[in-house]
Amino acid sequence: GESVGLHLPTLSVQEGDNSIINCAYSNSASDYFIWYKQESGKGPQFIIDIRSNMDKRQGQRVTVLLNKTVKHLSLQIAATQPGDSAVYFCAENMGTGANSKLTFGKGITLSVRP
Amino acid sequence: DGGITQSPKYLFRKEGQNVTLSCEQNLNHDAMYWYRQDPGQGLRLIYYSQIVNDFQKGDIAEGYSVSREKKESFPLTVTSAQKNPTAFYLCASSIVVGGDSPLHFGNGTRLTVT
Repeated sequence: GESVGLHLPTLSVQEGDNSIINCAYSNSASDYFIWYKQESGKGPQFIIDIRSNMDKRQGQRVTVLLNKTVKHLSLQIAATQPGDSAVYFCAENMGTGANSKLTFGKGITLSVRP
Repeated sequence: DGGITQSPKYLFRKEGQNVTLSCEQNLNHDAMYWYRQDPGQGLRLIYYSQIVNDFQKGDIAEGYSVSREKKESFPLTVTSAQKNPTAFYLCASSIVVGGDSPLHFGNGTRLTVT
């Protein structure tokens, strides 16, 4: 079937290298951000999140950096593996309380070369 | 093993027919959501529900309907009024409604209408 990754920008990296995936968000008042990974034919999978009172958060092989000054979010993947090949997209929380909602970016396709 | 189950994985319908997509969760989450994903685009919110017997329109609710009779279940009906129903449909849930907690997604239903 048709992939959700069609028509998206692609980042190609060599296996074993580090990957940096960038996301520009739109609302300076957004206070919560999430990175998702989506493999072909599957639903998005939570990777890591960060709140606006932090500028860096680390997980297993992944790091998220938040630069509120320029409204920029990045996901760093260390020692990229073939299993990391997927579409990655960021989401930002806009609004407050029960009226807040996540807005999703279009995504970037990560392709890992063996 | 908690999660969200969407069925069927693939669905084919003739134009003019209504079709219902199933979504069941056993995460004990209050909030549930339906998103539509088209190639090269971000997720767009169709409907969401923060509690049983309550649901709200999202950004693209026209041509869709939902029900929330049980906490675990949030079926989506794509009606004949939806002008462009062919898409990948994703169901999600979160502990509470609002965008400051991560969404957990099912693996989607790909609907093709001819």
